[in-house]
Amino acid sequence: GQQLNQSPQSMFIQEGEDVSMNCTSSSIFNTWLWYKQDPGEGPVLLIALYKAGELTSNGRLTAQFGITRKDSFLNISASIPSDVGIYFCAGGSNFGNEKLTFGTGTRLTIIP
Amino acid sequence: DAGVIQSPRHEVTEMGQEVTLRCKPISGHNSLFWYRQTMMRGLELLIYFNNNVPIDDSGMPEDRFSAKMPNASFSTLKIQPSEPRDSAVYFCASTRDWAGGYTFGSGTRLTVV
Repeated sequence: GQQLNQSPQSMFIQEGEDVSMNCTSSSIFNTWLWYKQDPGEGPVLLIALYKAGELTSNGRLTAQFGITRKDSFLNISASIPSDVGIYFCAGGSNFGNEKLTFGTGTRLTIIP
Repeated sequence: DAGVIQSPRHEVTEMGQEVTLRCKPISGHNSLFWYRQTMMRGLELLIYFNNNVPIDDSGMPEDRFSAKMPNASFSTLKIQPSEPRDSAVYFCASTRDWAGGYTFGSGTRLTVV
């Protein structure tokens, strides 16, 4: 089945640093999404991408839909303590009420 | 908007017992998804419904698992009999005609001892 590999698995950074994580797939996806999960809660949507090559920003977050449709990256600029959590990429293959395949997650920790 | 509501938040049960997890999707959303999250396997899709009809249940691990959606505002995921390896966090999510991602509930943490 489809698999999404996220890297890195975990990151330890200092407040104020920029963060970069990516997601690769063996299959093509038509949509890419990035979610963040806080402890004890469900994932929350951060950014959605619908077109190959698309670059989208949401505040300090920037995500891109890879031109090959097999990868995506998420950047966080000037990290703050509330950025701590697990970040998941997700890919969708079909338009309309589609099921998503989730990546393995990147755990972000901010060192005081 | 109350979000996707799941109950209970935590469930501890003995092996062999029946477990029922409940979900109320966001009003107006017509697709509902059940996911299971574990450290080893991450987020796995178990089943999803569109307009109350099961569309894909290929992720349901075995016959011990069943899911229903009797109406647009309620769904259940049942495990009978439960086993220790079923211990996980179970999430319900909903969306409206693929409006840009799912909205997840806060999950039910299931522990089978």
